[in-house]
Amino acid sequence: EAGVTQSPTHLIKTRGQQATLRCSPISGHTSVYWYQQALGLGLQFLLWYDEGEERNRGNFPPRFSGRQFPNYSSELNVNALELEDSALYLCASSSSGMPFYNEQFFGPGTRLTVL
Amino acid sequence: SQQGEEDPQALSIQEGENATMNCSYKTSINNLQWYRQNSGRGLVHLILIRSNEREKHSGRLRVTLDTSKKSSSLLITASRAADTASYFCALTGGSYIPTFGRGTSLIVHP
Repeated sequence: EAGVTQSPTHLIKTRGQQATLRCSPISGHTSVYWYQQALGLGLQFLLWYDEGEERNRGNFPPRFSGRQFPNYSSELNVNALELEDSALYLCASSSSGMPFYNEQFFGPGTRLTVL
Repeated sequence: SQQGEEDPQALSIQEGENATMNCSYKTSINNLQWYRQNSGRGLVHLILIRSNEREKHSGRLRVTLDTSKKSSSLLITASRAADTASYFCALTGGSYIPTFGRGTSLIVHP
């Protein structure tokens, strides 16, 4: 069974540009979560999608947005990039919209560098 | 939402020794999970322990939860060089979104 996949592996942008990150969950999983992990810090929750709807959002500005497609894959968009957006962005999926009950399976991440 | 605090921040041991790391928190939780992360890559789920459980085992891993002290510990017995990684606790409370601490960096020397 294929795990969670993310693309691209690395992404280099300049300040002010837009970045698009993609995630494909494990087959059968309907929930997708996005986290930001800046250097030396823990994971910060960004967004949670389930069944195509945004279910919850972390404490991030509106320039962080995303969507979930009918096949449950997901996209994270970051507009007007700032230097402090440089981080590892991790996507995770779970089998239902209840992270309370189910473990999350993580992808390898996309490392975004903003110059 | 609250964040767990792992302790110690870094731990260096020899192969074969046991490694213990702790996670403390401040408000009530529904469950607590431990994850491992190798070299800035994705996280691997280790163990989930619910608020009404006190201890769980998985292979060489043992997790305890003391809700009265609001703390959990992860014990890795007979550590191996391959256990070298960062270990995170993730708390789930009323928001249903796991929140992660900053992690404990474990180095196991061969």
